[in-house]
Amino acid sequence: AQSVSQHNHHVILSEAASLELGCNYSYGGTVNLFWYVQYPGQHLQLLLKYFSGDPLVKGIKGFEAEFIKSKFSFNLRKPSVQWSDTAEYFCAVKTVGGKLIFGQGTELSVKP
Amino acid sequence: EAQVTQNPRYLITVTGKKLTVTCSQNMNHEYMSWYRQDPGLGLRQIYYSMNVEVTDKGDVPEGYKVSRKEKRNFPLILESPSPNQTSLYFCASSLRGGGSYNSPLHFGNGTRLTVT
Repeated sequence: AQSVSQHNHHVILSEAASLELGCNYSYGGTVNLFWYVQYPGQHLQLLLKYFSGDPLVKGIKGFEAEFIKSKFSFNLRKPSVQWSDTAEYFCAVKTVGGKLIFGQGTELSVKP
Repeated sequence: EAQVTQNPRYLITVTGKKLTVTCSQNMNHEYMSWYRQDPGLGLRQIYYSMNVEVTDKGDVPEGYKVSRKEKRNFPLILESPSPNQTSLYFCASSLRGGGSYNSPLHFGNGTRLTVT
């Protein structure tokens, strides 16, 4: 069965620090990849997505993610985090003809 | 404004008392889905619907029912709630499919359910 694994459950950073959140999936075929963000008390919003083409994807608010097919990874990055980036981040994977599967989530706390 | 509306936002109930959480979308989306969010488990799909009158089980359907009689509405029914159904529930919709490139999921604001 397909699965999505996010290695970090809780990440604490100071403002201006760089961020990288890991996401690995288990599926050998074609996938669509997503990162969603959930700000405190709010619903999930799409941050960025990868479908095909350039494996480096840029999303909103300065976030980017890189798809590395050989490593089955889709890590999320941001060069300099802000306090307003405090949220929970979910990686999600959709296989062709399959369901959208979410990772366990990573809680990011940014200290001002 | 395009949105997915869930009601209620908060609900506290007792074991065995039937309840319904409503979900409505105004975007003419074909696909709708229910998820539950639990700490350390991420979002798990309960049921989904590809279109009117078409519903299918997700990963954790036990103890839940759904119906899709109209395109815009997709209520979640707990016939006999139990404490292990205490969770945060999200309804989501997309134009079609369930998370494809041109048809991303739009989420409701969530319903926090507590079953005592």
